[in-house]
Amino acid sequence: DAGVTQSPTHLIKTRGQHVTLRCSPISGHKSVSWYQQVLGQGPQFIFQYYEKEERGRGNFPDRFSARQFPNYSSELNVNALLLGDSALYLCASSPAGAASYEQYFGPGTRLTVT
Amino acid sequence: AQSVSQHNHHVILSEAASLELGCNYSYGGTVNLFWYVQYPGQHLQLLLKYFSGDPLVKGIKGFEAEFIKSKFSFNLRKPSVQWSDTAEYFCAVTGGTDSWGKLQFGAGTQVVVTP
Repeated sequence: DAGVTQSPTHLIKTRGQHVTLRCSPISGHKSVSWYQQVLGQGPQFIFQYYEKEERGRGNFPDRFSARQFPNYSSELNVNALLLGDSALYLCASSPAGAASYEQYFGPGTRLTVT
Repeated sequence: AQSVSQHNHHVILSEAASLELGCNYSYGGTVNLFWYVQYPGQHLQLLLKYFSGDPLVKGIKGFEAEFIKSKFSFNLRKPSVQWSDTAEYFCAVTGGTDSWGKLQFGAGTQVVVTP
């Protein structure tokens, strides 16, 4: 079975631009979460979606937004990019949204903002 | 505030040595505990997890972890490491005041195993 897939793999953007990152969960998984991993740190929670509704939001500015589609895939959007947004963005899926479920991670999208 | 701390940022050891990585959390209530590993160039993979029951849990590749509730700890161990265990290891927690699956990670421990 295919794991969590993310696109693109790498992305280079300029300050002020916006970016859209995409994630397809494991088949049958209804929850998708997004994390930001800055070099040398652990992943930081950005959003969780379950059944197309936002179930949690981390301490990120309103420039960050996300949505989940009827097929459970998800997009993460970041507007007005800053140099500090350079990071590996990870998507994780789980069968349901509750805390008692294991999350499976994708390979990530490496975003570089210049 | 809920937090997860890992005791060491970098660990260097020789093959066949024993490994123990510390993890402490500050959460009230019921927690679920995880250790994830990130091998060079690969994505995060689950090593093991604790939800309830036996506090000594065994994971993949010979790793195990012990949940000590009174110490708010979930330390990872491996009796004899191999060169292929070179990776970054993350402790993570869900639960507490959040019933949804928000994983809170520690800062990670970079482990280097020398031949």
